[in-house]
Amino acid sequence: GAGVSQSPSNKVTEKGKDVELRCDPISGHTALYWYRQSLGQGLEFLIYFQGNSAPDKSGLPSDRFSAERTGGSVSTLTIQRTQQEDSAVYLCASSVRRGTGELFFGEGSRLTVL
Amino acid sequence: DAKTTQPNSMESNEEEPVHLPCNHSTISGTDYIHWYRQLPSQGPEYVIHGLTSNVNNRMASLAIAEDRKSSTLILHRATLRDAAVYYCILSSSGGSNYKLTFGKGTLLTVNP
Repeated sequence: GAGVSQSPSNKVTEKGKDVELRCDPISGHTALYWYRQSLGQGLEFLIYFQGNSAPDKSGLPSDRFSAERTGGSVSTLTIQRTQQEDSAVYLCASSVRRGTGELFFGEGSRLTVL
Repeated sequence: DAKTTQPNSMESNEEEPVHLPCNHSTISGTDYIHWYRQLPSQGPEYVIHGLTSNVNNRMASLAIAEDRKSSTLILHRATLRDAAVYYCILSSSGGSNYKLTFGKGTLLTVNP
């Protein structure tokens, strides 16, 4: 489809393992965002990309979290040595450019750390 | 970032109008007012945004108070598919305007 695509939709992992979450934004969208939503909570900003660079990583909760974007398109969020508190839905969004007023969100990747 | 205040929950009947309030008394002159909604098990969906004037689109209307310290999202005829959490968010036209800060929103229940 033409929307933001995220994979996997569900991921169950054991504590201490690394996970990678993928986001495929809408074609032509230069801005990409990662958010996290824990159960019953609002969305927590993690990181923002403009093109391939990340001017704002301030929301990443620890150095176990990293993200990259290549070719101005696909982005990968990596969580190393997962902990149970990392369990959440990780949402990716894209927009035509920064500050256009409309973010398009994917359906999220639900991560469960046992 | 300027903060918004919304009721935790609201209820409506199908085919009736719904007015969802949002207070943002510390809004600055460059802050846009955004509304998103999140249906169960889905990512948030953009609804509408505005700066000073009232705005209409196919989904809803946004009424902004003259002093901009509050706004109201209006769904003209609620349907069961409108049951969702509605978020009112401020972002500035410059600086960190990409960093939309989502609060807990208003859970809208629509009764058949």
